Amino acid sequence: GAVVSQHPSWVICKSGTSVKIECRSLDFQATTMFWYRQFPKQSLMLMATSNEGSKATYEQGVEKDKFLINHASLTLSTLTVTSAHPEDSSFYICSAKSPYSNQPQHFGDGTRLSIL
Amino acid sequence: DAKTTQPTSMDCAEGRAANLPCNHSTISGNEYVYWYRQIHSQGPQYIIHGLKNNETNEMASLIITEDRKSSTLILPHATLRDTAVYYCIVSTAGNKLTFGGGTRVLVKP
Repeated sequence: GAVVSQHPSWVICKSGTSVKIECRSLDFQATTMFWYRQFPKQSLMLMATSNEGSKATYEQGVEKDKFLINHASLTLSTLTVTSAHPEDSSFYICSAKSPYSNQPQHFGDGTRLSIL
Repeated sequence: DAKTTQPTSMDCAEGRAANLPCNHSTISGNEYVYWYRQIHSQGPQYIIHGLKNNETNEMASLIITEDRKSSTLILPHATLRDTAVYYCIVSTAGNKLTFGGGTRVLVKP
């Protein structure tokens, strides 16, 4: 089945640093990737939609200058949390979708980000 | 996208079939029904999806009512590893997925 790889799986950083998370589709080309955030005991919340070669579309309330998204190739999207603070600590999950309309999204295993 | 309603939680006996209901009474004609599950501290895992017809794969079966206002995910022989939160999501193909609270399924020995 389709495989989406996310890296790193776990990161701890000091407050004020920037953290980059990578999302790769390993066996298909993903024209669209999605970034979600999940706080403890809550459901996934969509942050942004990333289309290859164009600017990401952010959901209401998500700061685009805080969460930088780059989707430079059909197999890689990155999310950079800039100047991270403790309130940014969360579980970040990406998903990827192939161009074929009848194929579902597939998710990475998530990145647990802890800001001290 | 149409909203879905699922029971908050349910228990299932190991080895028995697990039937997970989902209501989506406002579903549009071009919206699919997707099922994902999330095991603790992992990303969601795709299970199955369908538009009108019932679907079956190696993981589960999806039964969609004729009026498409509800569906049931069937895990034919539940195992302890099927303990997870199951999400029923309605969306057009290729569009973003909006996750609700899901159903917390606990498979008991």
